[in-house]
Amino acid sequence: EAGVAQSPRYKIIEKRQSVAFWCNPISGHATLYWYQQILGQGPKLLIQFQNNGVVDDSQLPKDRFSAERLKGVDSTLKIQPAKLEDSAVYLCASSLGEYHPQHFGDGTRLSIL
Amino acid sequence: SQQGEEDPQALSIQEGENATMNCSYKTSINNLQWYRQNSGRGLVHLILIRSNEREKHSGRLRVTLDTSKKSSSLLITASRAADTASYFCATYTNAGKSTFGDGTTLTVKP
Repeated sequence: EAGVAQSPRYKIIEKRQSVAFWCNPISGHATLYWYQQILGQGPKLLIQFQNNGVVDDSQLPKDRFSAERLKGVDSTLKIQPAKLEDSAVYLCASSLGEYHPQHFGDGTRLSIL
Repeated sequence: SQQGEEDPQALSIQEGENATMNCSYKTSINNLQWYRQNSGRGLVHLILIRSNEREKHSGRLRVTLDTSKKSSSLLITASRAADTASYFCATYTNAGKSTFGDGTTLTVKP
């Protein structure tokens, strides 16, 4: 089966600019996750969708981050405006359900200048 | 702080040796999962152990779970250079919330 697809793989922007990431999960996976992973740390959950509804966005900085999952399939994560501390890898994962193993994409490495 | 905390932070061994890494957590769980991450890649699921299980095996991997101590361990036997990666535990609560630790970086020297 095809894995989780993410784009772009790398992005370099200046602070205060905006950026968007795209994720296409594995077909049939109801649960979709966005994580932020800072170098040397584990993935930190930003938002979790169940189909196209939000299950958990408690750690999403809502003043600058937004995410949506269109028709319960693809998802986009946006940052506007970006800050220096947003430099990280943004990982998307999907799973059959909230207790099932997660399948990860290779992430987008974001650098803020 | 993270729900799961791995120990040690870094581990360096020779090829053929066994590697053991530990995960401690704070609240009740539904299951615990171990993942591997190679440099520059996403995480890959290794093994899932449910709260009513004590031990599971998958190839060269052995996972134990002690819910009374709120801890789990991952043992990799007869390690290979290709096992060099970061290993993360993820705890899943009964509310379906998952949390990853900060990982153990394993280096296997040929």
